[in-house]
Amino acid sequence: EPEVTQTPSHQVTQMGQEVILRCVPISNHLYFYWYRQILGQKVEFLVSFYNNEISEKSEIFDDQFSVERPDGSNFTLKIRSTKLEDSAMYFCASSEYVGYNTEAFFGQGTRLTVV
Amino acid sequence: ELKVEQNPLFLSMQEGKNYTIYCNYSTTSDRLYWYRQDPGKSLESLFVLLSNGAVKQEGRLMASLDTKARLSTLHITAAVHDLSATYFCAVDTVVNTGNQFYFGTGTSLTVIP
Repeated sequence: EPEVTQTPSHQVTQMGQEVILRCVPISNHLYFYWYRQILGQKVEFLVSFYNNEISEKSEIFDDQFSVERPDGSNFTLKIRSTKLEDSAMYFCASSEYVGYNTEAFFGQGTRLTVV
Repeated sequence: ELKVEQNPLFLSMQEGKNYTIYCNYSTTSDRLYWYRQDPGKSLESLFVLLSNGAVKQEGRLMASLDTKARLSTLHITAAVHDLSATYFCAVDTVVNTGNQFYFGTGTSLTVIP
């Protein structure tokens, strides 16, 4: 069964360093998303991406964050200068199209630890 | 802003007992999702409820949706230890740029032998 895959599963980085989280959405999907879950808290929307541009973003998604689809298969989230509070589980999701008859599928997550 | 509230936040129950988790939301969304999350793991999709009155069952879990009351329930029947996890409900809003999910705060369930 097709699935969204994320790499790495766990990343440890020093404060101030740049990190890139990678996602391979399901191949025929056109809409891509990043969500974040700080430990013990709920899952929060970060950004959605369609047609090679950001379509929606939350207040969390500030100038430190960027997303890119560098090729036909990968979808990346970059955090330019990590802070301790960026430590969280980051989930990528994708959907084939939008509408009430579609569903978004989540990847297994990347646990980011900033030290 | 769309709000999704779950209760209880924490639930400790004995094996064999029944209980219900409630999910209230503030929008007119017709779609509601239930996910299970084990510690440090991803979100496992349990149910997708697509219309008013929808009821779905899988094993000891049954989910229902009342869109008029903006309420969904996740009922646990004869709980077993393996059901210990955090359960999230979520609604999504459909805009022309994608489906944006709003998650509840989660219910941490512990089933005690």
